[in-house]
Amino acid sequence: AQSVAQPEDQVNVAEGNPLTVKCTYSVSGNPYLFWYVQYPNRGLQFLLKYITGDNLVKGSYGFEAEFNKSQTSFHLKKPSALVSDSALYFCASSGLSSNTGKLIFGQGTTLQVKP
Amino acid sequence: EPEVTQTPSHQVTQMGQEVILRCVPISNHLYFYWYRQILGQKVEFLVSFYNNEISEKSEIFDDQFSVERPDGSNFTLKIRSTKLEDSAMYFCASTRPGPLGEQFFGPGTRLTVL
Repeated sequence: AQSVAQPEDQVNVAEGNPLTVKCTYSVSGNPYLFWYVQYPNRGLQFLLKYITGDNLVKGSYGFEAEFNKSQTSFHLKKPSALVSDSALYFCASSGLSSNTGKLIFGQGTTLQVKP
Repeated sequence: EPEVTQTPSHQVTQMGQEVILRCVPISNHLYFYWYRQILGQKVEFLVSFYNNEISEKSEIFDDQFSVERPDGSNFTLKIRSTKLEDSAMYFCASTRPGPLGEQFFGPGTRLTVL
């Protein structure tokens, strides 16, 4: 069955340092992968997606993610974290077991950026 | 920038009561979804809707749940007889033509079943 895992419940990083939020997937074939961010009392906001092509995907707010097929990973990265990046981050996949766009989410990772 | 809206933001109901959660997707979107997030758990897919019919539903989406798009703008989720375990945040989402684009989510409705 298609699944997405985020192995860290929380990631803590100092402002200005690089950040990585990890995501691995378990699917057959080539997945469609997404990152969303959720701020308190807000809906999920799209950050970036990988469908095909270049393994390094650039998205909103300076975030990027690297698709690694051999490691079945799609880690979210940012070279220099901001306090305002503190939020809940979700990795998701779609497109494999259905063609309806159904998103399968990881359990979420709380990013805490400290000044 | 257009956005998905949801009403109410918080609904409190008694067990066994019917609730209707409302969503207004982005106007030129064609694919619509409901997800839920039980407190402390991951976001779970409930149902997808396209061309005025359900295109896919999860095991969670049993006979107590229904969706409709009654007037071409609103997209509703009805729970006929709520249970305690239906307490969750419910998110509506829509996407541009083509189901594999990024989905735009509403702010959610927090449903509390007492």
